[in-house]
Amino acid sequence: RKEVEQDPGPFNVPEGATVAFNCTYSNSASQSFFWYRQDCRKEPKLLMSVYSSGNEDGRFTAQLNRASQYISLLIRDSKLSDSATYLCVVRINNDMRFGAGTRLTVKP
Amino acid sequence: EPEVTQTPSHQVTQMGQEVILRCVPISNHLYFYWYRQILGQKVEFLVSFYNNEISEKSEIFDDQFSVERPDGSNFTLKIRSTKLEDSAMYFCASSRDPLAKNIQYFGAGTRLSVL
Repeated sequence: RKEVEQDPGPFNVPEGATVAFNCTYSNSASQSFFWYRQDCRKEPKLLMSVYSSGNEDGRFTAQLNRASQYISLLIRDSKLSDSATYLCVVRINNDMRFGAGTRLTVKP
Repeated sequence: EPEVTQTPSHQVTQMGQEVILRCVPISNHLYFYWYRQILGQKVEFLVSFYNNEISEKSEIFDDQFSVERPDGSNFTLKIRSTKLEDSAMYFCASSRDPLAKNIQYFGAGTRLSVL
């Protein structure tokens, strides 16, 4: 089983759509959880940390279910600029493990 | 906004040559990292560094790799004898405190091409 598993997509959605990404992780000792976004041939950029209580940042909502070892990201009212690859990232001590990413394309 | 800077942006080298990739982490950060991303694949952790020593390393980080903080600002990754399969994007990252949120900030990367 992969350490961090994501649906690779691609997700092709129209502007204004709501889209949800899922991620599962295999190591129950994982300590922190994040969503990063990566544009083509660019560096990963932090989108948001993910907490057990769930957290929201504008149009983005992240959820963590430690019992199921599952993380989600919901994007509401998607914009053209949301087109990117979304990386699920899990930290164990100082070791960050990345999922392979889910590619999103938002179309006009 | 402070940022992690990496040089060069693109390095081309011959197989078997040594390369040094350079990074300047964010100035008040204490923890430094190297990652690589082979084209079309996921980002892979290589090594973390704190207090002038390696704190963790992955199975990828074998004897041909080394890291150093030669002065108060630079953090380098050396690949002793490059192989074709070392061709990848290498990202440096830094964080202030890994025990809290451990938000890591990434540099723009160095694209290494081994011919």
